Amino acid sequence: EIVMTQSPATLSVSPGERATLSCRASQSVSSNLAWYQQKPGQAPRLLIYDTSTRATGIPARFSGSGSGTEFTLTISSLQSEDFAVYYCQQYNNWPRTFGQGTEVEIK
Amino acid sequence: EVQLLESGGGLVQPGGSLRLSCAASGFTFSNYAMSWVRQAPGKGLEWVSVLSGGSATTYYADSVKGRFTISRDNSKNTLYLQVNSLRADDTAVYYCARHSGNFGKGFDIWGQGTLVTVSS
Repeated sequence: EIVMTQSPATLSVSPGERATLSCRASQSVSSNLAWYQQKPGQAPRLLIYDTSTRATGIPARFSGSGSGTEFTLTISSLQSEDFAVYYCQQYNNWPRTFGQGTEVEIK
Repeated sequence: EVQLLESGGGLVQPGGSLRLSCAASGFTFSNYAMSWVRQAPGKGLEWVSVLSGGSATTYYADSVKGRFTISRDNSKNTLYLQVNSLRADDTAVYYCARHSGNFGKGFDIWGQGTLVTVSS
């Protein structure tokens, strides 16, 4: 099983600032990496797939990069609606696995 | 509108069973692989099982293998998860999710979830 490790666990950011979230895979997942956003009481929402492709309707302030085992989600200028938990997920191998999440909180 | 709606959760005793359902609408259900993903209270996401559009291919997480069975009825646009021999650590919100692009490219549509609580 591929273990996905996210860092940091919690990121404190002020509105308008940049947020950088990291995700590491225990073995290469090529570019088969997605990012999700989850707000309290809601289902996750797909933000990014194939490492860097934004899903339908996702604002351009969200961007993804990386390959192999190291990946990054960047939120260029945090808006109030962006404070949430973010998960990475690999779909290179079965079982599909998620990182443990990074909570982006208001500083 | 593309939508997934889960049902069937509830309170069940350890060792008990439930059948979860996920009703799909707004898209051609049979064209998509579908998964179940669960989330224990206050915890992260755990993929549980997947079934291809034509039901030919299925996989399970080791934690549920032999206890859970995924199935679908494309004529009813519905995905199912039969959960047996339930344990306390199966307590979670169970989401159904659509695979974007065969089995790849992540889960692009999620239901609102159904809560399964295993407790005596």
